Amino acid sequence: DAGVIQSPRHEVTEMGQEVTLRCKPISGHNSLFWYRQTMMRGLELLIYFNNNVPIDDSGMPEDRFSAKMPNASFSTLKIQPSEPRDSAVYFCASSLAGGTQYFGPGTRLTVL
Amino acid sequence: DQQVKQNSPSLSVQEGRISILNCDYTNSMFDYFLWYKKYPAEGPTFLISISSIKDKNEDGRFTVFLNKSAKHLSLHIVPSQPGDSAVYFCAARAGGGADGLTFGKGTHLIIQP
Repeated sequence: DAGVIQSPRHEVTEMGQEVTLRCKPISGHNSLFWYRQTMMRGLELLIYFNNNVPIDDSGMPEDRFSAKMPNASFSTLKIQPSEPRDSAVYFCASSLAGGTQYFGPGTRLTVL
Repeated sequence: DQQVKQNSPSLSVQEGRISILNCDYTNSMFDYFLWYKKYPAEGPTFLISISSIKDKNEDGRFTVFLNKSAKHLSLHIVPSQPGDSAVYFCAARAGGGADGLTFGKGTHLIIQP
């Protein structure tokens, strides 16, 4: 069974550019979470969806960040414009009906 | 203000001995606690969990203890094996189940031969 799939695994971009991170949750899961890991703040929740509907985006750092889930099998996290302080590892996780969250391998973002 | 704290950034334990990883929390609304294990360049992997109605949960070599009055939980690994070397994250969740997790900053466990 495929786990959570994230793409790209690595992204290097220049300040001011738009960045789009992608996530495919485990088939059948109805909750999807975006987390960010930095040295300073550790793993922090950015936003989560239940049944494709955003429930809590209070962790999204700024208006430059946006997330969508157009259907049950795909979600995107977009940063526009990107800044060096956005450099981090971004994880997507999914779960079924409040059960265990399963994480993808992450996208390492570097903004120069 | 961190609601979940892991005060030991790293821990070194000899192979075969017991590893004890600690976690403290401040939010009284947390009612479900989890431990995740993470290898470099991989996502966190679920290890074990405990509900606030219990004080102990065991799964093979892994046992989690919860002390609600002290707002403290610990993960015991017995016996420790080389493959246990990883970063361990403590996480907590409040009510419901479909909410996001609040993580500690992790403890890097190193198992020495």
